This record gives sequence, structure tokens and C-alpha cells, in this order.
Amino acid sequence: QQQVKQSPQSLIVQKGGISIINCAYENTAFDYFPWYQQFPGKGPALLIAIRPDVSEKKEGRFTISFNKSAKQFSLHIMDSQPGDSATYFCAPNSGGSNYKLTFGKGTLLTVNP
Amino acid sequence: DAGITQSPRYKITETGRQVTLMCHQTWSHSYMFWYRQDLGHGLRLIYYSAAADITDKGEVPDGYVVSRSKTENFPLTLESATRSQTSVYFCASSRVGELFFGEGSRLTVL
Repeated sequence: QQQVKQSPQSLIVQKGGISIINCAYENTAFDYFPWYQQFPGKGPALLIAIRPDVSEKKEGRFTISFNKSAKQFSLHIMDSQPGDSATYFCAPNSGGSNYKLTFGKGTLLTVNP
Repeated sequence: DAGITQSPRYKITETGRQVTLMCHQTWSHSYMFWYRQDLGHGLRLIYYSAAADITDKGEVPDGYVVSRSKTENFPLTLESATRSQTSVYFCASSRVGELFFGEGSRLTVL
């Protein structure tokens, strides 16, 4: 049973464009919705996260949009830069139950100069 | 520097050999995890630990053994390596919903 579905698998965007990555989940008990960013040869690192009491959170060029009724959340990267080229993972979870993290399969983002 | 250190970063071994991947954290986080990352599968949880001497299986535990005698260390052992265990292994610790990952150990089993 796939609890977390991430799309697309890969994405190519021109510099300055908008990158959008989606994550759908099934578990209604999830209450913490993070995105992780992973550069080649490195471990993933938390990029941005949202809790369900808000529908949107913005940090610089990165925005999370959260749709509780649809059980989906999205990562938007505005003015995408070549340095944003990385693999992005969603990992919705019940924040207090640290061991229940299930990662999406990842989206490989390539930003062309 | 504070953080998570994994060793070795690269390891080549042969089928049937025992291999231990080391993980050390400096934050004293209670939770620690081992993930493997494979193309097409993303990150899959192998084992996790809620505290010293408390460990439990994740999604893909077969063929792996863990121990945690001290809070800061969480070694992963492949008792008899198989080719299907060729992968990149990540250790992580957790602070309330956020994972902090090491840089990974790339293991090749010939």
C-alpha cells in the first residue's frame, strides 16, 4: 500500500521558471508536511515544512501549498535557479511519531541555465 | 562540528561477507534511523531506534542487524552481504518530525 505518492518523477525547468512538485497522502493523522532537498552525493536536508493549521507557507523562493480536504501538498519554487537542481522528497508524518516517516519516491529537478 | 558522521563513505565487499556501517551523532537525539536509497524506490526505512537499547524494524529489515548501546552510536550490520544490498545507506537522527541525515555510505556487494 503506497501511502505517499509524489509527482512528477522528474521535471525540467528553464532558469527563472516555476517548478511545482506534488505530494498526495492517505493517512489523515499526518500533521507535519515537510519537503526535503537532496544534492548529488549528499544526504537529504529539510527545505521547508508546514503544519495543517495554515494553507500556505513561504520561505524566500520556496512555497508550500497545503490542501487538507484533497490530502495533498505542493512545493513551488519561484524563479528557479540552476542551483535548485536536486532531488526533492516529501515526507508527511505524525510529528510526534518520528519513526512513521514515509518518503515519497522523489522528484529529480533539473533547472537549465 | 556537530552533526551525523557515517563511516565508511565507500565500501566494496563480496557476497557473504559481514559489513558494518557506522553512525555517530553529536546532538543526543533520541531517535535514530537507517535508510537505504535505491533508484526507483526512494528512501526506505531499514531499522530505527527510539533510545539506547530500543530498536525496531522498518520497511526492509531482512538481512540487517542493528544495535544501540549508546545514544550517540547506531551501527548497521549486514551479517552476510548479498548483491541486492548494494545501495546507498543513510543514517539519520530526529528532532520532532525533522530528520537530520548523514552524508551516506555507498556500499557495493560484488
